[in-house]
Amino acid sequence: AQTVTQSQPEMSVQEAETVTLSCTYDTSESDYYLFWYKQPPSRQMILVIRQEAYKQQNATENRFSVNFQKAAKSFSLKISDSQLGDAAMYFCAYRNGANSKLTFGKGITLSVRP
Amino acid sequence: GAGVSQSPSNKVTEKGKDVELRCDPISGHTALYWYRQSLGQGLEFLIYFQGNSAPDKSGLPSDRFSAERTGGSVSTLTIQRTQQEDSAVYLCASSIRSSLYNSPLHFGNGTRLTVT
Repeated sequence: AQTVTQSQPEMSVQEAETVTLSCTYDTSESDYYLFWYKQPPSRQMILVIRQEAYKQQNATENRFSVNFQKAAKSFSLKISDSQLGDAAMYFCAYRNGANSKLTFGKGITLSVRP
Repeated sequence: GAGVSQSPSNKVTEKGKDVELRCDPISGHTALYWYRQSLGQGLEFLIYFQGNSAPDKSGLPSDRFSAERTGGSVSTLTIQRTQQEDSAVYLCASSIRSSLYNSPLHFGNGTRLTVT
């Protein structure tokens, strides 16, 4: 079974600084997709960024980018120029080509210091 | 357009009672998912629908849990004889179709269930 591990339960970053959230996963599949979701106190999960495993180029979305290391099965999220609104829980998620469901990590709580 | 709508947003029930949680997916989304999020935990997959059928219900924790979807739209998650360990946030999500593996899931705001 696929597993997603987020080993850091909490992180803190100074406003305007850069922070990296770690995620590792375990799979024997070669075709899969990875996602980062943000969950603010409103509870709604919001897609931040996604990466296809067959693409070597790391995905970027404005201030958010990933460092995808396929051999190491690592998928970290970098947030640049952190803003107060970035404070939330962040979940890493995995989906393979044969199974529709997303498998989530336990999440990390990010706080942003003004 | 409207997002995924879940009702009620909060539900308090007594142990042993049955509860029904409702999910209205985004119009046109054929895939629908239910997840459970316990305090301090990640999202635990429960069941997913493609249209009205449920190809994967492997995450339902016991036979007290059931779900149905009618008309390829609204879904109801039913928990019978609720127990205190059922207390959690139940999240619903939908996507265009499950065969598009990189199509993101769009989530509702969840139902917070508290069993007293």
